[in-house]
Amino acid sequence: AQTVTQSQPEMSVQEAETVTLSCTYDTSESDYYLFWYKQPPSRQMILVIRQEAYKQQNATENRFSVNFQKAAKSFSLKISDSQLGDAAMYFCAYRSAFSGKVIFGPGTSLSVIP
Amino acid sequence: NAGVTQTPKFQVLKTGQSMTLQCAQDMNHEYMSWYRQDPGMGLRLIHYSVGAGITDQGEVPNGYNVSRSTTEDFPLRLLSAAPSQTSVYFCASSYLRGNEQFFGPGTRLTVL
Repeated sequence: AQTVTQSQPEMSVQEAETVTLSCTYDTSESDYYLFWYKQPPSRQMILVIRQEAYKQQNATENRFSVNFQKAAKSFSLKISDSQLGDAAMYFCAYRSAFSGKVIFGPGTSLSVIP
Repeated sequence: NAGVTQTPKFQVLKTGQSMTLQCAQDMNHEYMSWYRQDPGMGLRLIHYSVGAGITDQGEVPNGYNVSRSTTEDFPLRLLSAAPSQTSVYFCASSYLRGNEQFFGPGTRLTVL
């Protein structure tokens, strides 16, 4: 069975600074997808970024980028130029290309300090 | 498009009662899933479905039943509610393969 681990329950960052959130996963599959979702206090789940396991190039979306290390099974999220609106819970998720099912890590609560 | 809708938004049950949480999507997504969210534990997968008539268990299926008779609907049934099932429940849907999931607004369930 696949598992997703986020070892940082809470993180904080100064406004305009850079922060990196960690995620590791365990799987025996070779084809899968990885995601970062953001959940603000409204509880709405928002996709931040997506990575395909067979693509070596790291995904980027504006201020958000990932460091995908397939051999190490690591998928960290870097947020540059942090803004107050980035304060939220961040969840790492794994999607099996075989079964389609999606599992999540326990989340990291990010605070942004003005 | 209404996206993913869930009803009710809030529910209080007594131990032993049964109920059904409703989930519907209008995006013609093959994949639908149910999660429960508890503090410090993230979203844990209860059941999922890759199409009408096909369901499978997730990480925490005990105490819950699902069925998928249509592409649009994926109800979650609590057979005999227990206090341990107090949680926020999310329904999500997506196309298959590597597509992102779209989430409903959640149902906050309290079991006394």
